[in-house]
Amino acid sequence: KQEVTQIPAALSVPEGENLVLNCSFTDSAIYNLQWFRQDPGKGLTSLLLIQSSQREQTSGRLNASLDKSSGRSTLYIAASQPGDSATYLCAVRGQLTFGKGTKLSVIP
Amino acid sequence: GAGVSQSPRYKVAKRGQDVALRCDPISGHVSLFWYQQALGQGPEFLTYFQNEAQLDKSGLPSDRFFAERPEGSVSTLKIQRTQQEDSAVYLCASSESGGSGNTIYFGEGSWLTVV
Repeated sequence: KQEVTQIPAALSVPEGENLVLNCSFTDSAIYNLQWFRQDPGKGLTSLLLIQSSQREQTSGRLNASLDKSSGRSTLYIAASQPGDSATYLCAVRGQLTFGKGTKLSVIP
Repeated sequence: GAGVSQSPRYKVAKRGQDVALRCDPISGHVSLFWYQQALGQGPEFLTYFQNEAQLDKSGLPSDRFFAERPEGSVSTLKIQRTQQEDSAVYLCASSESGGSGNTIYFGEGSWLTVV
């Protein structure tokens, strides 16, 4: 059974810092990996989708990488802003299995 | 519609009551998913539809949970004889095609509290 782990569980950084969120998965036979953002009381917003054949995807200040062979993905956020504060979840397809998320707080 | 729409947004049910949660996927989306998210946890897969066919229901926690999508668009998740452990957010998601390469879009969820 696929298991997805996200480290750290929570992260607090001052505004302007660059940061990295980590995601690991146990079964490398995935179709793709998707990063989501979840604000309190809200659903999930898709940030980036990386196909299994790709190594990275970029959108604005976000860059996600994928190393299928080692079962790892990272989400890099450049020049963090208070509006980036949310929980970030990664999910792998197959069945779309989620990690528990990293709760990010960006302090003004 | 513009996005995935779920109703009701909030539901308080007495233990033993039946509830029905509705999901309107993005128009034309073939794939539809239901997830359960407990407080502080990531979403857990419940079931998956491709059009009207329920292709995977391996995540449904018990036979009290039932999902349908009779015309391949709107879906309903029904929970019979609700228990306190059913309290969670129920998230619906859809994607454009039956392939695994598409972005999945989520609704804002139905928050169920069983008292």
